[in-house]
Amino acid sequence: GAVVSQHPSWVICKSGTSVKIECRSLDFQATTMFWYRQFPKQSLMLMATSNEGSKATYEQGVEKDKFLINHASLTLSTLTVTSAHPEDSSFYICSAGRGGPHNYGYTFGSGTRLTVV
Amino acid sequence: DAKTTQPPSMDCAEGRAANLPCNHSTISGNEYVYWYRQIHSQGPQYIIHGLKNNETNEMASLIITEDRKSSTLILPHATLRDTAVYYCIVRLSGGYQKVTFGTGTKLQVIP
Repeated sequence: GAVVSQHPSWVICKSGTSVKIECRSLDFQATTMFWYRQFPKQSLMLMATSNEGSKATYEQGVEKDKFLINHASLTLSTLTVTSAHPEDSSFYICSAGRGGPHNYGYTFGSGTRLTVV
Repeated sequence: DAKTTQPPSMDCAEGRAANLPCNHSTISGNEYVYWYRQIHSQGPQYIIHGLKNNETNEMASLIITEDRKSSTLILPHATLRDTAVYYCIVRLSGGYQKVTFGTGTKLQVIP
């Protein structure tokens, strides 16, 4: 149990276009999901916390108008990179937390490799 | 969340135990210690977690010192597939606490 599916696994897009990444919890409901990005040989950097039915909370320095997050249901959160540029090329990862008083570890998606050309 | 300190890299011979240390001297009483690992170009994978008692599961063992200021993840018989970056994280329980990652330890299992 506790499977998180992330799609697509990789995408190449042209500079100036927008790209949508989906994160789905397959066998549990996730009121909260998290989005990270990771540059080569670096650690994961938390971008934002996605809350079902409300606005996402962005970490300092992350442009909310560039990285649009929508969490319209308990099983789906999407990250849209708008007007992508080559510097947005990165590995994007989502994770989902299960509700309840104790969490046995967040489940992470397999990641999306975004290349902007 | 409390900060953690891990060595940047470690080597381990295949078949031997891998012992990965983590310092978390500012951990608070209700924060748990979690371990994740990330194999190249994949999402992080949960390994184990604990509060103050030692824990063991099918993947690893977690040893937490009595003062809870440090812990050690033990992979009893390392294989080449255990080569990954291992992250130690301390956080509150609950499904809504955000997780921030440090730099982790790059474990290289050597044949």
